[in-house]
Amino acid sequence: GDSVTQMEGPVTLSEEAFLTINCTYTATGYPSLFWYVQYPGEGLQLLLKATKADDKGSNKGFEATYRKETTSFHLEKGSVQVSDSAVYFCALRGSYSGGYQKVTFGTGTKLQVIP
Amino acid sequence: DTGVSQDPRHKITKRGQNVTFRCDPISEHNRLYWYRQTLGQGPEFLTYFQNEAQLEKSRLLSDRFSAERPKGSFSTLEIQRTEQGDSAMYLCASSLRRKQETQYFGPGTRLLVL
Repeated sequence: GDSVTQMEGPVTLSEEAFLTINCTYTATGYPSLFWYVQYPGEGLQLLLKATKADDKGSNKGFEATYRKETTSFHLEKGSVQVSDSAVYFCALRGSYSGGYQKVTFGTGTKLQVIP
Repeated sequence: DTGVSQDPRHKITKRGQNVTFRCDPISEHNRLYWYRQTLGQGPEFLTYFQNEAQLEKSRLLSDRFSAERPKGSFSTLEIQRTEQGDSAMYLCASSLRRKQETQYFGPGTRLLVL
């Protein structure tokens, strides 16, 4: 079945440092890939997405490129801020089941940015 | 676009009691999903509606769980005879039915069963 593997956290960075959170996936066919962010006490918010190979999703300075050859969708940001502290979830929308294209989430990576 | 809303945001109950959660999706969205998220884990799919029809249920959804979406708008998730293992964040999401749909999540209801 579909699966998503994320690097374990927590990740602690100083403000203005470069961020990479690794994400790899296993899926049949051509899944769409997503990064969601969850701030403390809040629900998940869609951060960015990519729907086909070589697409680059970007939002709020974050980027991720859909790499089919390495089955990866790593999240990057050139200069993190304290306000980026949150839990980041990689997800894929893959195989159909009952007419529903199932969304599978990774376990999340907690990012803490210190001033 | 007011987003997906959920009520209540927090619920503390005693083991054996029944609880009901409500989700109001984004108004034009015809698909609605329930997920459960436990500490340190990603959301796990529970069930999904297209309009008022419940089309898919996870094996995680035991007989004590029931979900409805009576008029294809808001949805309720009821847990009967709660157990301590039911303690989790219950998330609702909605989307439009189309090829490249994106799910939008509500803030969640955090349940604690004592």
